Amino acid sequence: QSALTQPASVSGSPGQSITVSCTGTSSDVGGYNYVSWYQQPPGKAPKLMIYEVSNRPSGVSNRFSGSKSGNTASLTISGLQAEDEADYYCSSYTSSTTLVFGGGTKLTVL
Amino acid sequence: EVQLLESGGGLVQPGGSLRLSCAASGFTFSTYPMGWVRQAPGKGLEWVSILTGDGGATYYADSVKGRFTISRDNSENTVYLQMNSLRAEDTAVYYCAKRAPGGGWPYDSWGQGTLVTVSS
Repeated sequence: QSALTQPASVSGSPGQSITVSCTGTSSDVGGYNYVSWYQQPPGKAPKLMIYEVSNRPSGVSNRFSGSKSGNTASLTISGLQAEDEADYYCSSYTSSTTLVFGGGTKLTVL
Repeated sequence: EVQLLESGGGLVQPGGSLRLSCAASGFTFSTYPMGWVRQAPGKGLEWVSILTGDGGATYYADSVKGRFTISRDNSENTVYLQMNSLRAEDTAVYYCAKRAPGGGWPYDSWGQGTLVTVSS
């Protein structure tokens, strides 16, 4: 199972919006509404930010939103804040009854 | 508060074995699937395995199938990962994670991880 494709890095200034893409295939991202997004600050464990494409767990800021079109899912962070600087990973359930992660995207807040 | 505490990591030679443990607290352990996710040094996340709340069904990544075994003891609120025939590419921080409600195996609680180093 190949990793989902994410940009290596994205950046934005405080207050701006950024979008991170996550591209898979019809066997994973495109085949199910089962995409999740995680935030991982340096040296820390991942934190679930989005599940089932666009649902936010309790306690996650509504500045974080998710969407999907075809084989590509997206995470959008609006009103960028310095504390959002972290690595972001997408994941998707697959037709092989496994889970696959993206390669990760480093977000830099300028 | 959910807490997950991994242990059992360390240095092991190629071809060797290691068993990781993850002690859970703060939730009704037996009702939640539990999984393992690893992260090689400086690399991204890689899903390893998951098992159902009753331990009756298990799933593995192709990279570890046949070498790793996930299990749980619901009386001890502990999930295990038995790792055999270890390879250099298994070197990683191994995270224990609790599956969240919802489709697609999202994980809403994670331990701090335990480092496994496979080297001679």
